[in-house]
Amino acid sequence: NAGVTQTPKFQVLKTGQSMTLQCAQDMNHEYMSWYRQDPGMGLRLIHYSVGAGITDQGEVPNGYNVSRSTTEDFPLRLLSAAPSQTSVYFCASSPGGSGAYYGYTFGSGTRLTVV
Amino acid sequence: AQKITQTQPGMFVQEKEAVTLDCTYDTSDQSYGLFWYKQPSSGEMIFLIYQGSYDEQNATEGRYSLNFQKARKSANLVISASQLGDSAMYFCAMRGIYGNQFYFGTGTSLTVIP
Repeated sequence: NAGVTQTPKFQVLKTGQSMTLQCAQDMNHEYMSWYRQDPGMGLRLIHYSVGAGITDQGEVPNGYNVSRSTTEDFPLRLLSAAPSQTSVYFCASSPGGSGAYYGYTFGSGTRLTVV
Repeated sequence: AQKITQTQPGMFVQEKEAVTLDCTYDTSDQSYGLFWYKQPSSGEMIFLIYQGSYDEQNATEGRYSLNFQKARKSANLVISASQLGDSAMYFCAMRGIYGNQFYFGTGTSLTVIP
């Protein structure tokens, strides 16, 4: 099983450029989320989705867009990259429904540098 | 609102000794799950252990155990017989019963000394 696949693994952008971070899961998970990880701040939620066609904002959504047209895919779009968006980005997925016992499965991360 | 607090930015432990990583949480949910993840220097997030709020016994997974004290809202991770490969960042996380959001602490960096 591939689990959660993120591409690319590394990316350098110039300020003002746009790009899409790809995320795909093959576990038929309903829930998918994007996090960013910065030193000393843990993982902060950017956007999340509870199913195809449904997305919502997390803790730090500004500058990012998401869509969920299929269960499998949950791309993250940077509209106009800024140096403050330099970070490591993780996509994660989880089974849905009520119940707090499902952990998230994480992708391997994308290290993004904005210059 | 839910919040996870890890107050130990860095910890050192001698190889083969036990170590406790602290985690406290705040939630108004009656039912929730607590998780620990390990992040080695390679960067991936590895699930270690889960504790449900209604579980009466502390969770254990091999050398990992979770010291769950519900009244104190703490969920400390205990690693027994530390190994050099345990050197990593460790994150505590929480999810509510209707949780489409997973809340993380800021992490603890553990270094195992030979």
